[in-house]
Order: sequence, then structure tokens, then C-alpha cells
Amino acid sequence: SQQGEEDPQALSIQEGENATMNCSYKTSINNLQWYRQNSGRGLVHLILIRSNEREKHSGRLRVTLDTSKKSSSLLITASRAADTASYFCAHSSINILTGGGNKLTFGTGTQLKVEL
Amino acid sequence: ETGVTQSPTHLIKTRGQQVTLRCSSQSGHNTVSWYQQALGQGPQFIFQYYREEENGRGNFPPRFSGLQFPNYSSELNVNALELDDSALYLCASSSGGGVTETQYFGPGTRLLVL
Repeated sequence: SQQGEEDPQALSIQEGENATMNCSYKTSINNLQWYRQNSGRGLVHLILIRSNEREKHSGRLRVTLDTSKKSSSLLITASRAADTASYFCAHSSINILTGGGNKLTFGTGTQLKVEL
Repeated sequence: ETGVTQSPTHLIKTRGQQVTLRCSSQSGHNTVSWYQQALGQGPQFIFQYYREEENGRGNFPPRFSGLQFPNYSSELNVNALELDDSALYLCASSSGGGVTETQYFGPGTRLLVL
């Protein structure tokens, strides 16, 4: 079963507007990653934020992480029609035996549509 | 392009049959993870292989099995196919046997079980 939830499930905006997607999780994490997926194809890695980081930027992307609230957000600024895709957050959980992790747990995804 | 390749791209099987899916990892990566993505859902972790050994498994029955070869490519085998096995199967390669670093995904194999 999915251990992450994303909000909203679907988002429709106009080109040039900002898009914000939120993600919540339930366990302690090593890091949290955001991925993009176009039309049921492979996942493209966007950004990774470690558990000791609070904010990270990459181009038009800004990710925040609040480990006390077990939540993260992805902001896409000045959106473009080409940003239309599904966006997933995925967290790497701490393995209590090894201290590392060996799987990603994905959220349910946000479908973003950017209209011209 | 991530450098991770999967074959075949599409596959149609009937209930009860067996299927083998293949994944070639990115150069320099020794870890391959497999995920199942049902329509409209996020990917779910099946298992991971690190240096030819299984290195973690998700909540999937034993009829889901895998292999990793000395060149770090990998296979996912599913026996006794069920209708609910219809999904996109994704492999991801990384290094170091964990997920402290980025995983790079292939384009997926779409399996339809009739």
C-alpha cells in the first residue's frame, strides 16, 4: 500500500503561473525525492532533499522539507505547457538494521496540467 | 535519457503464464530496483538487487522473483500471472546498495495480462 499522500491529486493552471504540490509521509526518512512522469512512461528524477535539509532549489524548482510535520512541497515557478505531467514524491526510509535504506516509497502523485 | 534500458516495451500474456522482464543498468551502477506501477497509482517497490544478491523486498508474493548478473543487468520473473499483474514495470539503477543517492529509472515495460 502507498505510504505517502500527495495533494492535490490534480492541478490545472495557466502557463506562467506557479504550481505547488504537497506530499506527506509517515516514517522517519533518509531523504525525499521528487520525480516526474509523462504519460505512463519512465520516471525522471527532479530533485533530492536530505533529511537534514530544509529547502533546495534547482532551476524553476523549489523543494521544502519539514521533518517535524513529515511533509514536503514542490513549487514549480513560471510553469510551461511542457511541465504537464504527473509528479511523485518518494521517500527513502531508514533501515534500523543498517542505518541506510533500500527502497523508495512513492506517493499517489499529482497530475499537473499547464494550459496555454 | 538515463542510460537505463528495459525490454520488452510492451507485452501481452494470458493468466497462468510466466514472464521475464529485463533491465540494463546505467554504466557504473551496481544496484537495480524493480517497481510495479498500476494504472493511476504510484510505483510500488518489488525488490532490489545489489552485487547479485537480493537486498530488500516489498510486499510481493514469491512468484515474483529476480536475478542480477555480473554485469549488473537484472531480470524480473513473474510466474502464474494474474489479471492484477497488469501494470507498468519499472527498473531503476543506482550505486551503493541503498537509496541515499538518486535512482535512475528506465522507460518501463507495460504488461497486460488477459
